Amino acid sequence: SQQGEEDPQALSIQEGENATMNCSYKTSINNLQWYRQNSGRGLVHLILIRSNEREKHSGRLRVTLDTSKKSSSLLITASRAADTASYFCATGGTGKLIFGQGTTLQVKP
Amino acid sequence: DAGVTQSPTHLIKTRGQQVTLRCSPKSGHDTVSWYQQALGQGPQFIFQYYEEEERQRGNFPDRFSGHQFPNYSSELNVNALLLGDSALYLCASRLVGASTYNEQFFGPGTRLTVL
Repeated sequence: SQQGEEDPQALSIQEGENATMNCSYKTSINNLQWYRQNSGRGLVHLILIRSNEREKHSGRLRVTLDTSKKSSSLLITASRAADTASYFCATGGTGKLIFGQGTTLQVKP
Repeated sequence: DAGVTQSPTHLIKTRGQQVTLRCSPKSGHDTVSWYQQALGQGPQFIFQYYEEEERQRGNFPDRFSGHQFPNYSSELNVNALLLGDSALYLCASRLVGASTYNEQFFGPGTRLTVL
């Protein structure tokens, strides 16, 4: 079963705009990760945030984590057409990842 | 440095048949996990192999089985295929103990269609 839900399920924006997607989870976590998937192919690891961190940055990505609300958000700033993909949050223990259902992002040129 | 590779890329089978999917982990990795991703859904964990043994298993029936070879490559076998087994099957690898978190490197997947 899925760990939680992602919101929105789909997002369409213009190039240059910011994209925000949210993830909720159900159980206590040690860390939360975000992955990107292009066109139904393999997943690419984007960023990991630990349970004792509240915010983390990587390039144009900003991730926040609110353990009291069991939620995380991924912000992509100054989006590009190449950011068009599905984005998944994942939690898990030693090797087993539990994914959300994902947000499909379309960035229009 | 070769990443995770999977074969075949696409596969079409009929109900009741058996299928074998293959995965070679990223160079230096020793643990392989398999995931099933139905269309429009997130990946679901099937099982994980380490030291040639199944270490963790998700909520999948015994029709799903696997194997890991001494060179760390792995196979996923599915027997008595059902229409609902149609999905993208993803393989992921990691190195146990190499990091404090469980970042996994994913292959491109095998698209299985059951008719």
